Amino acid sequence: DQQVKQNSPSLSVQEGRISILNCDYTNSMFDYFLWYKKYPAEGPTFLISISSIKDKNEDGRFTVFLNKSAKHLSLHIVPSQPGDSAVYFCAAPTYSGGGADGLTFGKGTHLIIQP
Amino acid sequence: GAGVSQSPSNKVTEKGKDVELRCDPISGHTALYWYRQSLGQGLEFLIYFQGNSAPDKSGLPSDRFSAERTGGSVSTLTIQRTQQEDSAVYLCASSLGGVGYGYTFGSGTRLTVV
Repeated sequence: DQQVKQNSPSLSVQEGRISILNCDYTNSMFDYFLWYKKYPAEGPTFLISISSIKDKNEDGRFTVFLNKSAKHLSLHIVPSQPGDSAVYFCAAPTYSGGGADGLTFGKGTHLIIQP
Repeated sequence: GAGVSQSPSNKVTEKGKDVELRCDPISGHTALYWYRQSLGQGLEFLIYFQGNSAPDKSGLPSDRFSAERTGGSVSTLTIQRTQQEDSAVYLCASSLGGVGYGYTFGSGTRLTVV
């Protein structure tokens, strides 16, 4: 059962426009969400996060929106730049009795910024 | 080191052979995680270490997979009797204990079983 879903395997956006990457989750216990960015042959790097007590978090060109009632979050990139071309993963922490013991990732969305 | 180091970066092995993948985390990071990414799939959680102990091994796909961590530092992931479905990129990450921005990934080991 996939608890974090990214239903768009790829997205193509023109340079300078807004990129919107979507993520849905099924586990209402998730209380923190992260976005990671991955270039080919490199490990994922942390991009931005949001706590479930907020509905928006902004960092420069990147904004993450959280809609808890819909169990949906989205990452907005404005304006999109060629260097933004990468695979973006949505993730949420999973917890055991001992604390957070890993992240559950979506399958990723490959963002392609076209000149 | 400055980042999480994984070796080898690429490994091609014959079906049935054993392989050992190594992860050298950021110095001082107590938590260490192994993930794998198969073709067209997301990141699959394998195992998590807090210090030298592994509270959660439930993500290991089969008993052919094992991992250990010594001295609270280097970790090795061992796959015995490799199968073609084991082909994937194996990623290691370390953190100070939280899963937020302190979670740093290595570049991964691309394993190909032929």
